[in-house]
Amino acid sequence: DIQMTQSPSSLSASVGDRVTITCRASQYIGKYLAWYQQKPGKVPKLLIDATSTLQSGVPSRFSGSGYATDFTLTINSLQPEDVATYYCQKYGDAPWTFGRGTKVELK
Amino acid sequence: QVQLVQSGAEVKKPGASMKVSCKASGYTFSDYFIHWVRQARGQGLQWMGWINTNSGGPKYAQNFQGRVTMTRDTSISTAYLELSGLTSDDTAVYYCARDDGADPDNAFDIWGQGTMVTVSS
Repeated sequence: DIQMTQSPSSLSASVGDRVTITCRASQYIGKYLAWYQQKPGKVPKLLIDATSTLQSGVPSRFSGSGYATDFTLTINSLQPEDVATYYCQKYGDAPWTFGRGTKVELK
Repeated sequence: QVQLVQSGAEVKKPGASMKVSCKASGYTFSDYFIHWVRQARGQGLQWMGWINTNSGGPKYAQNFQGRVTMTRDTSISTAYLELSGLTSDDTAVYYCARDDGADPDNAFDIWGQGTMVTVSS
């Protein structure tokens, strides 16, 4: 099975900072990479699929990039409401696999 | 609006079985596959499998083969997750989620609110 490795596992940043989270697949997955945001006690929310397609209603400060095995989620100008855990997910065929998550906190 | 509404929290004894429901509304139920994902407290997300809501055919993650059953009832737009042989390791929040496409090869655009299942003697 393909493993998804996210880094860092947690980070602390200030409001207005640019935040970058990386996700590496153990094998080629093309563009079949999604990012989810999960706020404490809440349901995961799809932010980005197909590596870089922003979902409707998601602020434009979120962006995704990458291909094959290496992917990045960037939050430009971190806002207080972005405090959450972010998960990458490989999809397209079984098993759908998530990264272990990156917890984003405010400094 | 498009939503998935799950059944309420459950407490089960070790060795028992659980059954969680996931009722869809706001869209044509049989047009989209439903996945099941679980999350233990403080842990990450674990995919359990999907069900083809049209044909009823399932695909299970290898970790759960032999003790998981996914079914659906199209007359009431509801998908079900059954897990047998429960242990304390199965204590988790169980989510249903909609596959964002006609085939099961997409991310999950709509999630249920989650069902907490606690396994305790």
